[in-house]
Amino acid sequence: AQSVTQPDIHITVSEGASLELRCNYSYGATPYLFWYVQSPGQGLQLLLKYFSGDTLVQGIKGFEAEFKRSQSSFNLRKPSVHWSDAAEYFCAVGANNAGNMLTFGGGTRLMVKP
Amino acid sequence: ETGVTQSPTHLIKTRGQQVTLRCSSQSGHNTVSWYQQALGQGPQFIFQYYREEENGRGNFPPRFSGLQFPNYSSELNVNALELDDSALYLCASSFPGQADYEQYFGPGTRLTVT
Repeated sequence: AQSVTQPDIHITVSEGASLELRCNYSYGATPYLFWYVQSPGQGLQLLLKYFSGDTLVQGIKGFEAEFKRSQSSFNLRKPSVHWSDAAEYFCAVGANNAGNMLTFGGGTRLMVKP
Repeated sequence: ETGVTQSPTHLIKTRGQQVTLRCSSQSGHNTVSWYQQALGQGPQFIFQYYREEENGRGNFPPRFSGLQFPNYSSELNVNALELDDSALYLCASSFPGQADYEQYFGPGTRLTVT
């Protein structure tokens, strides 16, 4: 069975600082990987996804993520955080024949200091 | 193009009662997935419907059931409500013909069981 671990429950960064959110997955084959963001009282918005090809993927809002098969990781990065990035971030994995039946991690809550 | 909508926004029920939550898919999407998100946790996959048939199910008991209608709107029914059913229920629509499996999430229904 597939699983996702987000080791950091809370992260606080200063506005303008760089950000890296960690995600480790467990899946027997090449996974479909996703990062979603959830603002308070809202649904999930897709930031980026990886299926195959270039292991560095670019997403919306200046986010990027790198797939590292050897480490079973798919960490999310942003070079300069804005106050509006404060939200909950979820990493998710989908099976390669059912990419839209997702297993989510527990989430990382990002707080941004002015 | 309208997005995914869900109703009601909030709902309070008593243990043992039954509840029906509704989802209207994004235009043109024939697949809908339902997720349960308990407070402070990541979403958990409940089931998926494709062309009015259940297409996959997560680790949820049979008292969680669903329907998808010819217009691709959907219902999630939960019988014999338990306190642990208190959560945000998210639906997501997608079109499996798209290779990227992108799902569009609704804002959710917040269910409180007392």
